[in-house]
Amino acid sequence: GESVGLHLPTLSVQEGDNSIINCAYSNSASDYFIWYKQESGKGPQFIIDIRSNMDKRQGQRVTVLLNKTVKHLSLQIAATQPGDSAVYFCAENRGRGRNYQLIWGAGTKLIIKP
Amino acid sequence: DGGITQSPKYLFRKEGQNVTLSCEQNLNHDAMYWYRQDPGQGLRLIYYSQIVNDFQKGDIAEGYSVSREKKESFPLTVTSAQKNPTAFYLCASSTPGPSGGGDEQFFGPGTRLTVL
Repeated sequence: GESVGLHLPTLSVQEGDNSIINCAYSNSASDYFIWYKQESGKGPQFIIDIRSNMDKRQGQRVTVLLNKTVKHLSLQIAATQPGDSAVYFCAENRGRGRNYQLIWGAGTKLIIKP
Repeated sequence: DGGITQSPKYLFRKEGQNVTLSCEQNLNHDAMYWYRQDPGQGLRLIYYSQIVNDFQKGDIAEGYSVSREKKESFPLTVTSAQKNPTAFYLCASSTPGPSGGGDEQFFGPGTRLTVL
């Protein structure tokens, strides 16, 4: 079936290194993708988004890459800090108008090693 | 300050009781959503509403009900028909995006419901 999924449930990274979190999607009709960060006990926070007419988008210390050929999305975090410890979710859009919704991946837990 | 508020933060319920979770937003967003999150899991969509007086079932609507009488409010009722209601409930809102699609969703702080 169609789904958004993640390759790794947990990712451990040394503080200061770059982190790469991956996400696979299967609906070729999706044209909007988002990354969220969720800290323990809190609601998800928007990090960065990308539309299907782009391959790459950069924010502050974060970059999202979209490869439509293989239906793959990645989030790169530069110079990972302790405050980056969280669960990261990717999501893709589905439907239009009154049926519009986001389809969420299972999440990747990012652990920062000192 | 604009944002989404959910109340209460923690809620305890006895088996067999209905309970209503509040979600209010002052962001002037048309769309609102309810998600359920179990420990160590992702978000599952319960109900969503793209406009006042209209809502759609999500993936796990059974045992839940909603109403959307006002743009600002989207309360969720967890009924006694929901067999395993203990979870973290998240409300979100968004604006319509280009081409009839949506935009980023803004989340509330969540309500943690525990059934005793």
